[in-house]
Amino acid sequence: QSALTQPASVSGSPGQSITISCTGTSSDVGSYNLVSWYQQHPGKAPKLMIYEGSKRPSGVSNRFSGSKSGNTASLTISGLQAEDEADYYCCSYAGSSTPWVFGGGTKLTVL
Amino acid sequence: EVQLVESGGGLVKPGGSLRLSCAASGFTFSSYSMNWVRQAPGKGLEWVSSISSSSSYIYYADSVKGRFTISRDNAKNSLYLQMNSLRAEDTAVYYCARDPGGAARFFDYWGQGTLVTVSS
Repeated sequence: QSALTQPASVSGSPGQSITISCTGTSSDVGSYNLVSWYQQHPGKAPKLMIYEGSKRPSGVSNRFSGSKSGNTASLTISGLQAEDEADYYCCSYAGSSTPWVFGGGTKLTVL
Repeated sequence: EVQLVESGGGLVKPGGSLRLSCAASGFTFSSYSMNWVRQAPGKGLEWVSSISSSSSYIYYADSVKGRFTISRDNAKNSLYLQMNSLRAEDTAVYYCARDPGGAARFFDYWGQGTLVTVSS
């Protein structure tokens, strides 16, 4: 199972919106509406931001939203804030034999 | 409050073994699937292994199959990862992560991680 494809880096200014893409295949992202997104600050554990493609856990800002089209999922962060600067990883369920596959991660820089 | 606390990491020589533990609290451990996810220094996240709530279903990444064994003790609210035949490329921070299981497929809580270094 190959890793999902994410851009290595994205950047934006405070208040702007950015979108991070996550491209998989018809065996993972395309087959299941089970993409999740994680935020990771340096030296910290990952934090769940989006699950099942577009759902937000309790406590996660509504500035974070998720979507999917075909084999590509996307995370959009609106109204960028300095504290959003972090690494972001997508993850998709990929079937019972190898249940999960992660993306390579995207470093978000808030300019 | 859900808490996951990993332990057991350290420095080990190539070919050696190590056993990681994850102590869970704040939730009904026996009702959740559990996972190990690792992160090599400066690299991304890699799923390693999963175990269902009753240990009926166990899965491994190809990179560790045949060398690592996941297990759990629901009476002790603990998750384990026995790592044998360790290689330099196994060097990583190892996180335990909870997933709700069933139709839900995501990791909602993570531990702080434990560092495993494989080096001579």
